[in-house]
Amino acid sequence: GQQLNQSPQSMFIQEGEDVSMNCTSSSIFNTWLWYKQDPGEGPVLLIALYKAGELTSNGRLTAQFGITRKDSFLNISASIPSDVGIYFCAGAMEYGNKLVFGAGTILRVKS
Amino acid sequence: DTGVSQDPRHKITKRGQNVTFRCDPISEHNRLYWYRQTLGQGPEFLTYFQNEAQLEKSRLLSDRFSAERPKGSFSTLEIQRTEQGDSAMYLCASSLLIGSYGYTFGSGTRLTVV
Repeated sequence: GQQLNQSPQSMFIQEGEDVSMNCTSSSIFNTWLWYKQDPGEGPVLLIALYKAGELTSNGRLTAQFGITRKDSFLNISASIPSDVGIYFCAGAMEYGNKLVFGAGTILRVKS
Repeated sequence: DTGVSQDPRHKITKRGQNVTFRCDPISEHNRLYWYRQTLGQGPEFLTYFQNEAQLEKSRLLSDRFSAERPKGSFSTLEIQRTEQGDSAMYLCASSLLIGSYGYTFGSGTRLTVV
């Protein structure tokens, strides 16, 4: 079945550092989404991407939809303690169809 | 609108019992999705609806699982004869059919089968 490979699996960084994580797929997706999940809660949408090559920002977060439609990355600039959590990428063949998720990147921040 | 609402938040049940979870999507969203998430993994797709029609079911959804969305608004997910392997977080999400607002998830129902 479809799978998303998300890396790194975990990161332990110093407050103020920039963070980069990415997601690759063997299949083409036409929608890429990035979510953050806190323990015991549902995923919260951070950024949605709908066009190949699209670069979108949301505050300190920037995400790009790869030109091949098989990858995406998420950058977080100047990390702060509340950035701690699990970040998931998700892809859909078309918007409105089921999402396929990566296994997540665990982010820990040292203050 | 308060977002996607799921009830209950936590459920502990004995093996062999039936359980039912409810999801209330964002009111104008016509698509509703169920996912299951186990520890250390991303959510896995179970099934989704467009209004009251169930459009797709995953192979993960065994015969013991059934989902309904009778009036195209709230949805229920029932698990019959629960097994320990059913212990997981069950997540519901909703979305518009078209648009650019992403998929909104609820806070989930944590099921523990003992």
